Amino acid sequence: DQQVKQNSPSLSVQEGRISILNCDYTNSMFDYFLWYKKYPAEGPTFLISISSIKDKNEDGRFTVFLNKSAKHLSLHIVPSQPGDSAVYFCAASAKSGDKIIFGKGTRLHILP
Amino acid sequence: SQTIHQWPATLVQPVGSPLSLECTVEGTSNPNLYWYRQAAGRGLQLLFYSVGIGQISSEVPQNLSASRPQDRQFILSSKKLLLSDSGFYLCASGTGGAGNTIYFGEGSWLTVV
Repeated sequence: DQQVKQNSPSLSVQEGRISILNCDYTNSMFDYFLWYKKYPAEGPTFLISISSIKDKNEDGRFTVFLNKSAKHLSLHIVPSQPGDSAVYFCAASAKSGDKIIFGKGTRLHILP
Repeated sequence: SQTIHQWPATLVQPVGSPLSLECTVEGTSNPNLYWYRQAAGRGLQLLFYSVGIGQISSEVPQNLSASRPQDRQFILSSKKLLLSDSGFYLCASGTGGAGNTIYFGEGSWLTVV
């Protein structure tokens, strides 16, 4: 049972344009959401997070939007840069915060 | 800030052999510790997590086990490896509680042959 879903395995975006990565979740107990970026053969690096009391969090080029009623979140990257090419993972945890569940990831290709 | 060390970085093991992957954390105390595996098409699969010494929660039935002999040490083991155990294993550490952000080590590549 996949509680965190990233339905797009890959996404290609022109350099300088906006990249939008989507994530859906099924567990209504989730109240904290995170995005990680991963290069091949490296550990994921934390990008940005959002608590369920907010609907938007922004950090530089990265913005995460949360739609609790739709159980959907998205990561926007503006403008997209070549170094953004990587696999992006969405993750979620419930109130206790002990268990963090990841999606399968979306591979982002930034085209020159 | 915390630093997570994992070793070995790369491992090639025959089927049926034992496994021991070690993870240690610096820069924090009493962390939550995690073992994840990245296998093809499966994303980051949570294998085990620990909220304290000797406290291990297993998420996926398998022939792997985990132990936490010290506050900042987390070990992943197997008595007999299967081909399906091949993958990229990641240790992570977090503060636990609400708003828990976890940070990852560099990973260990395991190939079972």
